[in-house]
Amino acid sequence: EIVLTQSPATLSLSPGERATLSCRASQSVSSFLAWYQQQPGQAPRLLIYGASNRATGIPARFSGSGSGTDFTLTISSLEPEDFAVYYCQQRSNWPRTFGQGTKLEIK
Amino acid sequence: EVQLVESGGGLVQPGGSLRLSCAASGFTFSNCAMTWVRQAPGKGLEWVSSIGTGVTNIYYTDSVKGRFTISRDNSKNTLSLQMNNLRADDTAIYYCTKGDSNYWYDYWGQGTLVTVSS
Repeated sequence: EIVLTQSPATLSLSPGERATLSCRASQSVSSFLAWYQQQPGQAPRLLIYGASNRATGIPARFSGSGSGTDFTLTISSLEPEDFAVYYCQQRSNWPRTFGQGTKLEIK
Repeated sequence: EVQLVESGGGLVQPGGSLRLSCAASGFTFSNCAMTWVRQAPGKGLEWVSSIGTGVTNIYYTDSVKGRFTISRDNSKNTLSLQMNNLRADDTAIYYCTKGDSNYWYDYWGQGTLVTVSS
């Protein structure tokens, strides 16, 4: 099973700042990695797929990078609605796995 | 508009059974792989099971193998999850998700809560 480790567990920033979230895989997943955003009490939403492709309707301030084992989700300038929990997920191997999440909170 | 509406959750005793359903609309259901993902209270996301467009492609996480069965009815645009011999650690919100052409989970239902407790 591929283990995805996200860091940091919690990130405290202010609106307008840049956020950098990390996801590391225990073995290569090539570019088969996605990022999801989950607001409290809501279902997750697909943000980034294939490591660097924005999903439909996702603002340009969200970007993804990386391949192999190291991936990054960057939010260039935080908006109030961006404070949420973010998960990475791989579909390189079965079983599919998610990272444990990074909580992005308002400082 | 894509819609995924889960139903069938509830309170069940350990060892009991539940059948979850997901009613899909707004897309060609038969052309899409479908997946169940769960989230225990206050915890992260956990992939549970996936079914391809053809029913031969079925996968489960180890902890539910032999207890859960995923199925689909393309004539009714419905995804199901039969859950038997439920345990306390199966307690979670269960989300139905749609796979896009590259099998990413591009749409999610609002989830149905399963609580396993005596």
